[in-house]
Amino acid sequence: DAGVTQSPTHLIKTRGRQVTLRCSPISGHKSVSWYQQVLGQGPQFIFQYYEKEERGRGNFPDRFSARQFPNYSSELNVNALLLGDSALYLCASSFLGTNTEAFFGQGTRLTVV
Amino acid sequence: AQSVTQPDIHITVSEGASLELRCNYSYGATPYLFWYVQSPGQGLQLLLKYFSGDTLVQGIKGFEAEFKRSQSSFNLRKPSVHWSDAAEYFCAVGGTGGGNKLTFGTGTQLKVEL
Repeated sequence: DAGVTQSPTHLIKTRGRQVTLRCSPISGHKSVSWYQQVLGQGPQFIFQYYEKEERGRGNFPDRFSARQFPNYSSELNVNALLLGDSALYLCASSFLGTNTEAFFGQGTRLTVV
Repeated sequence: AQSVTQPDIHITVSEGASLELRCNYSYGATPYLFWYVQSPGQGLQLLLKYFSGDTLVQGIKGFEAEFKRSQSSFNLRKPSVHWSDAAEYFCAVGGTGGGNKLTFGTGTQLKVEL
């Protein structure tokens, strides 16, 4: 069975530009969450989507946005990139929107130069 | 607000020795608790979880953890460490009303000496 898949695995972007990260959840899972992991720290919650609706938002600026599609895949968009946005972006998939375990993808390593 | 503290940033143990990684949490209601492991440059793999019931939970790779409500702790243990266990370990808390939002600790880096 396929796990959570994220694309791309790595990318390099210039400050001020925009980036889109993609995530496909485990088949049958309806919830996707996004996390940012800066080097040397634990993951920080950015967004959760369930059944295509936003169910939670972390303490991140409005430059960060996301959406979930009818097939439950998701995109995370970051505008006006800053050097501090360089991080590993993790997508997590859950069957339900609450009270269930989350399964993580391998992440997208974003480097902003 | 929920929070997780992992007091040990780095731990070194000899292969075959026992291991205990500490985790303390703060949460206003019944917590859901998790331990994840991360190899360099990789995503997170779920080792075990506590939702309710028996306070001693068994996970994959021979790991176990004990939930102690009175101490707000959820320490991870393994009786005999293997060299392949070297990785970073994260404790996380979530719970009712919070969707699937997880709050993670800062992690404990485990080094295994042969």
